[in-house]
Amino acid sequence: GAVVSQHPSWVICKSGTSVKIECRSLDFQATTMFWYRQFPKQSLMLMATSNEGSKATYEQGVEKDKFLINHASLTLSTLTVTSAHPEDSSFYICSVRADTGELFFGEGSRLTVL
Amino acid sequence: KQEVTQIPAALSVPEGENLVLNCSFTDSAIYNLQWFRQDPGKGLTSLLLIQSSQREQTSGRLNASLDKSSGRSTLYIAASQPGDSATYLCAVERAGTYKYIFGTGTRLKVLA
Repeated sequence: GAVVSQHPSWVICKSGTSVKIECRSLDFQATTMFWYRQFPKQSLMLMATSNEGSKATYEQGVEKDKFLINHASLTLSTLTVTSAHPEDSSFYICSVRADTGELFFGEGSRLTVL
Repeated sequence: KQEVTQIPAALSVPEGENLVLNCSFTDSAIYNLQWFRQDPGKGLTSLLLIQSSQREQTSGRLNASLDKSSGRSTLYIAASQPGDSATYLCAVERAGTYKYIFGTGTRLKVLA
């Protein structure tokens, strides 16, 4: 299966700062990556679809100016949480979809905003 | 709107038992269905993918079936082991979108 790497695995920041999370597809070129968010003991919620070379597509209710997504190459997508606040604290996880339809996930990034 | 529900929400069984996890979805217009496991604080590990033309997939002690018309999938785990303890999630891919919608998950604990 595909290997997806996320960095950092955890980050603590002060309220008002911005945090960038990287998602790399290590063994195949991904024109599309997906960003999910997971609150404690809850399921995954799709935030946005990251498209290489074009704008991301956001799900309803997700603020695109709060969660900036850049997919500048076929192996890297970044999620920047801008002006983070405590309510943005969550587990953020990215995935890539293989041609078979199978989804492969990164290890996730836990964000804590103080 | 697609809704995916998993029953039971939590399950505790003694080692060696065979068990069934259930996943139901409201819109049968799906493409693929995938089962994952998630360990606490970790990412998701893909277990089985059932593609649109398939009804069943098997990997080792795991067997997953799909009945699109009834909006149901089951994950069968044979001879459960303590290492199987995790949260199991099913996800359905909305037809024509490449987007997966996740179920609510089943937290499994296998007691030694």
